[in-house]
Amino acid sequence: AQSVTQLGSHVSVSEGALVLLRCNYSSSVPPYLFWYVQYPNQGLQLLLKYTTGATLVKGINGFEAEFKKSETSFHLTKPSAHMSDAAEYFCATPNTGNQFYFGTGTSLTVIP
Amino acid sequence: NAGVTQTPKFRVLKTGQSMTLLCAQDMNHEYMYWYRQDPGMGLRLIHYSVGEGTTAKGEVPDGYNVSRLKKQNFLLGLESAAPSQTSVYFCASSYSFARAFFGQGTRLTVV
Repeated sequence: AQSVTQLGSHVSVSEGALVLLRCNYSSSVPPYLFWYVQYPNQGLQLLLKYTTGATLVKGINGFEAEFKKSETSFHLTKPSAHMSDAAEYFCATPNTGNQFYFGTGTSLTVIP
Repeated sequence: NAGVTQTPKFRVLKTGQSMTLLCAQDMNHEYMYWYRQDPGMGLRLIHYSVGEGTTAKGEVPDGYNVSRLKKQNFLLGLESAAPSQTSVYFCASSYSFARAFFGQGTRLTVV
């Protein structure tokens, strides 16, 4: 069954520094993979998604993620953190029944 | 286009009380889901539906019931609330593997 694991429940970066949030997936077939962002007291918003094709996926707000089959990873990056990026980030994947399963989340803090 | 709307947004219940959370979507999506979010545990699937009149159990279904009498609505019921059900509940809908759309959440406290 598909699942995702997020490494690091809390990540702190300085404003302007690289953001790297880690997600590894477990699947016997190439998966669909998603990153969602949750701002305080809000629902989840889609940042980006990988389905098929290009392994480097660009999303909103300058985020991107690379699907690496050899490493079973789908890490989220942003070259330069902004204060507004402070939020909780979730990696997710659907199973064959279209049920979406989420990682435990990574809380990003941006230090001025 | 409202997307996914959850009501209520906040609720406080006493142990043993019952309540129903309503989720409505206006995107004609076949799939709907109820999740609960707890600190350090991410989102866990409670129940889901693959179409009008269908429901199925997710990872943590105990203590909850659901109904999908109309395609646009997905109701989550708590028959006898327990403190362990204190959580933030999210409804979502989707039309395929492409993405899920989420509501704004319901913050439930059981005292």
